[in-house]
Amino acid sequence: QKEVEQNSGPLSVPEGAIASLNCTYSDRVSQSFFWYRQYSGKSPELIMSIYSNGDKEDGRFTAQLNKASQYVSLLIRDSQPSDSATYLCAFAPLSGGYNKLIFGAGTRLAVHP
Amino acid sequence: DARVTQTPRHKVTEMGQEVTMRCQPILGHNTVFWYRQTMMQGLELLAYFRNRAPLDDSGMPKDRFSAEMPDATLATLKIQPSEPRDSAVYFCASGLVVAGWDTEAFFGQGTRLTVV
Repeated sequence: QKEVEQNSGPLSVPEGAIASLNCTYSDRVSQSFFWYRQYSGKSPELIMSIYSNGDKEDGRFTAQLNKASQYVSLLIRDSQPSDSATYLCAFAPLSGGYNKLIFGAGTRLAVHP
Repeated sequence: DARVTQTPRHKVTEMGQEVTMRCQPILGHNTVFWYRQTMMQGLELLAYFRNRAPLDDSGMPKDRFSAEMPDATLATLKIQPSEPRDSAVYFCASGLVVAGWDTEAFFGQGTRLTVV
């Protein structure tokens, strides 16, 4: 079992819709979770971090964390063509005590006009 | 404008040659990660350092890869000898960990390596 699982997509949504991206992780005691966006040919860019159960909102982005179910999601409201990118979730497992940062394979999002 | 700086941005080399990639982390950050990204494998963690000490390099092929942090402003990743299967984009990222809690990691622009 991979440590981080994401649907590779592509997830296609119309402009203005809500895009919902999901991620499950394997380490039950992880405390730090992140969403990155990566445009083609560019480096990953941090867009959200979340540390506690529940929702965290930042502009059009909302991250949701459920530690009991071991999943984290990202909602993008009012999706724009400029949101078309690959979205990577990442977490820092506490196993080993070293807090390394592990990434999922990413979900490709396509927002069409 | 704080950013992670990687050099070179692109590198084409012949099989068997040594390749050195450099990373300057954001000033004040105490954690440095090296990742390799390919279409097939995604982002793979190769090694990471905290306060310049190597914590985990289990993701690296030990026989040919080495990672060091000679000082707080420079991290290096070396491949010797390089092979065509090493062709990938190599990213460095830095972050600040305080009291065991992770804060965000920020990526450099990457080194695109092609081994022919």
